[in-house]
Amino acid sequence: GAVVSQHPSWVICKSGTSVKIECRSLDFQATTMFWYRQFPKQSLMLMATSNEGSKATYEQGVEKDKFLINHASLTLSTLTVTSAHPEDSSFYICSARDYGGTGYGYTFGSGTRLTVV
Amino acid sequence: RKEVEQDPGPFNVPEGATVAFNCTYSNSASQSFFWYRQDCRKEPKLLMSVYSSGNEDGRFTAQLNRASQYISLLIRDSKLSDSATYLCVVNPGGKLIFGQGTELSVKP
Repeated sequence: GAVVSQHPSWVICKSGTSVKIECRSLDFQATTMFWYRQFPKQSLMLMATSNEGSKATYEQGVEKDKFLINHASLTLSTLTVTSAHPEDSSFYICSARDYGGTGYGYTFGSGTRLTVV
Repeated sequence: RKEVEQDPGPFNVPEGATVAFNCTYSNSASQSFFWYRQDCRKEPKLLMSVYSSGNEDGRFTAQLNRASQYISLLIRDSKLSDSATYLCVVNPGGKLIFGQGTELSVKP
């Protein structure tokens, strides 16, 4: 079935630094990638939607200059958390639209647990 | 109002119990509906899609009432391995919107 590989699985960084999270679709072309964030005991909140070759669409309240999304190819999308602060500590997860792989169309990465100290 | 609202948890039930989860959604234009399961610190996994006619997959039964904008999930004969957070998910047009989840704990 369709697989999205997400790296790193976890990362600890110092406040003020930037962190890049990668999601790769391994056996299909991910035209659209969704990026979610999940705080403890809360649900997945959609941050942004990216389409290959175009600018990402951010949800209300998500700072596009802080959460940089690049979707330069059909198999790779990245999320960069710039100037990270402790309140950015969260579980970040990507989901790719899969036209024909899983049958229902959405494949999730395994998530990245970010801790900013 | 949240786009997708679920029963607050946690639900603590003994093995073999039947448990029901409820969910309501606000966007009447929503096109497809799902229940996902999420284990601690893991990505959500699709449990089942939900159809207007109702659908069953083994011990799991899902129902959708479009008029009431209401979705349910019934788990019969619950197992220890059913312990997880169950997420109601709605697709209002190309993207998945998640409810806050209901935590289920099945005890021996």
